[in-house]
Amino acid sequence: QVQLQESGPGLVKPSQTLSLTCTVSGGSISSGSYYWSWIRQPAGKGLEWIGRIYTSGSTNYNPSLKSRVTISVDTSKNQFSLKLSSVTAADTAVYYCAREPAVDRDWYFDLWGRGTLVTVSS
Amino acid sequence: SYVLTQPPSVSVAPGKTARITCGGNNIGSKGVHWYQQKPGQAPVLVIYYDSDRPSGIPERFSGSNSGNTATLTISRVEAGDEADYYCQAWDSSSDHVVFGGGTKLTVL
Repeated sequence: QVQLQESGPGLVKPSQTLSLTCTVSGGSISSGSYYWSWIRQPAGKGLEWIGRIYTSGSTNYNPSLKSRVTISVDTSKNQFSLKLSSVTAADTAVYYCAREPAVDRDWYFDLWGRGTLVTVSS
Repeated sequence: SYVLTQPPSVSVAPGKTARITCGGNNIGSKGVHWYQQKPGQAPVLVIYYDSDRPSGIPERFSGSNSGNTATLTISRVEAGDEADYYCQAWDSSSDHVVFGGGTKLTVL
């Protein structure tokens, strides 16, 4: 079955760029039937959607993070990636990648990765 | 932006029914989804489009949505249902996902 796996540095210095990759296994990211999202969760707090990408390259971002976020897709590697610039301690969180069925409206997440902890500290 | 409001905590005895609410302006016009998150684990979809259950989710989990409140109902609660529950919807005015703040379900 399809699985998602996040990877990337667990420690990032303040003001630098956080970079994470989500690898899709057991299925093709190019199937055209899904959006691919990033979501984060600070310790002890709730979920925050960061943004998503379709395999065409079209993106949607959380307005509160839009100026610092870039999500891209590499269909040849069956991966999609997150870059978050100018990070601060407030960006310390568990970062999840997730899949959304490409329905007409009111999208939801039917598959999640296990998450990866990213700490912002000097 | 669109806001979803959940009670921080709900407590219920085993075998009883738990109801977790999610409030939002005219939320009944939106499709609402619910996730269960146990400590140290990723969220799992338990209800989508207000009341649909993914395969593998027990029939004890059900949902409804009307007016300004969506509700996740867990019947015959078991100790294994103890978790955080999040509601989620799409804010069409700004094209982005919104999550509720989460509700911690405690099984007494």
